[in-house]
Amino acid sequence: AQSVSQHNHHVILSEAASLELGCNYSYGGTVNLFWYVQYPGQHLQLLLKYFSGDPLVKGIKGFEAEFIKSKFSFNLRKPSVQWSDTAEYFCAVGKAAGNKLTFGGGTRVLVKP
Amino acid sequence: DAGITQSPRHKVTETGTPVTLRCHQTENHRYMYWYRQDPGHGLRLIHYSYGVKDTDKGEVSDGYSVSRSKTEDFLLTLESATSSQTSVYFCAISESGSGLNSNQPQHFGDGTRLSIL
Repeated sequence: AQSVSQHNHHVILSEAASLELGCNYSYGGTVNLFWYVQYPGQHLQLLLKYFSGDPLVKGIKGFEAEFIKSKFSFNLRKPSVQWSDTAEYFCAVGKAAGNKLTFGGGTRVLVKP
Repeated sequence: DAGITQSPRHKVTETGTPVTLRCHQTENHRYMYWYRQDPGHGLRLIHYSYGVKDTDKGEVSDGYSVSRSKTEDFLLTLESATSSQTSVYFCAISESGSGLNSNQPQHFGDGTRLSIL
């Protein structure tokens, strides 16, 4: 069965620090890849998505992610975080010919002012 | 934000009682999904629908049923609630599926917090 791993469960960092969250998936075929963010008490919002083309994807709020097919990874990055980036981040994978997403367990990010 | 309304937003009920959660969308999207969110597990798909009266199981479908009699409404029913079904339930919609040839993201509702005592 397909699985999605987010290895960091909790990340604490200070404002202006750089952020990188790891995401690895197990499925060997072609996939669609997503990062979602959930701010405290809110629903999930789409940060960015990758379907094909340039493996470096830029999303909203200054986030970007890089798809490395050989490593089955889709890591999320932001060069300089703000206190408002405090949230939980979820990686999700949709596989070919399927209509379902598989989510990782999430990474809670706390940005200290 | 996508027009998705979940009701109720909060519910407390007792073990063994039936519970129905409703998801209503105003986007006329074909696909609708029900997830549960539990700490450390992320979101897990319960059931999804790819059209009126067309539904399929997700990875954690046991103990849950769904119905979709209209494009805009997708109901999730717990026939006899158990304490293990205490969770936050999210509805999502997408214009098409999320597989390779249907590259549309899912948009989520605000969630229903369900507590079963």
